[in-house]
Amino acid sequence: GQNIDQPTEMTATEGAIVQINCTYQTSGFNGLFWYQQHAGEAPTFLSYNVLDGLEEKGRFSSFLSRSKGYSYLLLKELQMKDSASYLCAVMDSNYQLIWGAGTKLIIKP
Amino acid sequence: GAVVSQHPSWVICKSGTSVKIECRSLDFQATTMFWYRQFPKQSLMLMATSNEGSKATYEQGVEKDKFLINHASLTLSTLTVTSAHPEDSSFYICSARVLAGLVEQFFGPGTRLTVL
Repeated sequence: GQNIDQPTEMTATEGAIVQINCTYQTSGFNGLFWYQQHAGEAPTFLSYNVLDGLEEKGRFSSFLSRSKGYSYLLLKELQMKDSASYLCAVMDSNYQLIWGAGTKLIIKP
Repeated sequence: GAVVSQHPSWVICKSGTSVKIECRSLDFQATTMFWYRQFPKQSLMLMATSNEGSKATYEQGVEKDKFLINHASLTLSTLTVTSAHPEDSSFYICSARVLAGLVEQFFGPGTRLTVL
């Protein structure tokens, strides 16, 4: 079966750095997405990795290792508005998105 | 660019009634649209994939006679929840993809359905 694993909840301090991990087992791989979802809202796109390595975009970076079936999202200089759920999703061989359950990130002052 | 709208943003209805949710791509033509459902504190669950002009492909366990999907044009897909029951109360989200094979999906803002 297909499976995406990520921690259920994480807590971090404003101004700090946090890393959210995601491991996956899917039938085929056409890239890995990270989305941010605030409560009661639809997901918004953060990043897309299809090749191994680190993609940096402002305060957010995403890393992928296809051989390990592993990715992480790194958030720097945390702000209170970063409190949200972060969803890891893998696009399988049929171009379907397989979603993780999401990691709820709580930012404390 | 790449804006997807949904209407209504929230709806409350009585058990047994039908509810229609619209998903529109505002500034692009969407060959494929996806309908998701999300229960509280759970991940997105794909319900069905619809391609313009053809019948939707439903995921296992999703009743196609209960969740009617129409994708009549390249900018509009509708989801009708027929004979809604309280267990259908959920957050329904659509997304759209421009061309087959392109990876990015653009999400609508979601529709909160509450069935009394």
